[in-house]
Amino acid sequence: SQTIHQWPATLVQPVGSPLSLECTVEGTSNPNLYWYRQAAGRGLQLLFYSVGIGQISSEVPQNLSASRPQDRQFILSSKKLLLSDSGFYLCAWIDRDRSHRHFGAGTRLSVL
Amino acid sequence: DQQVKQNSPSLSVQEGRISILNCDYTNSMFDYFLWYKKYPAEGPTFLISISSIKDKNEDGRFTVFLNKSAKHLSLHIVPSQPGDSAVYFCAAGDSGTYKYIFGTGTRLKVLA
Repeated sequence: SQTIHQWPATLVQPVGSPLSLECTVEGTSNPNLYWYRQAAGRGLQLLFYSVGIGQISSEVPQNLSASRPQDRQFILSSKKLLLSDSGFYLCAWIDRDRSHRHFGAGTRLSVL
Repeated sequence: DQQVKQNSPSLSVQEGRISILNCDYTNSMFDYFLWYKKYPAEGPTFLISISSIKDKNEDGRFTVFLNKSAKHLSLHIVPSQPGDSAVYFCAAGDSGTYKYIFGTGTRLKVLA
């Protein structure tokens, strides 16, 4: 069966520090992978999606970047965090029949 | 511009009664709609979906209704149980692109 792992679960970082959140998927190959952010009082906003290694599409301009160095690995990064980067970050992959996304457990990021 | 709206941020329902969660969308090109359930500090989990060729889809206690002319969908939970207390997100999109837009969520509280 397929599983998705995200880490860390929580992270507290100072403003201006770098960020690296990792997501890996098991039990599937060549998945479509997604990074979402849930900010306080807001819905799930799509940040990036990837259809393959090295292929990244950005949905909104921001302080973050994404990379896909391996088929089942998706990384969310920032060189310098802003206060507004605080939120709940979710990685997801799409089901084999492409009907719905499976989400990871999320990372709660607090930028202070 | 919020293409998918959940106008009720919260809803309280007595155990055993019906919970009705509503969602409106603006893009007539959307042809696939989903509901997710999210507990605190966890990733959303898929509940139920419906394609635009249907107006109703049922799965156990959960039924999703789609009114294409009104660009409105709703999730009915009957009977409601305390374990249903969570935030519910609707999502809508174009099944050809797999780019779904999520609403802001409705927090459901089922009172015992």
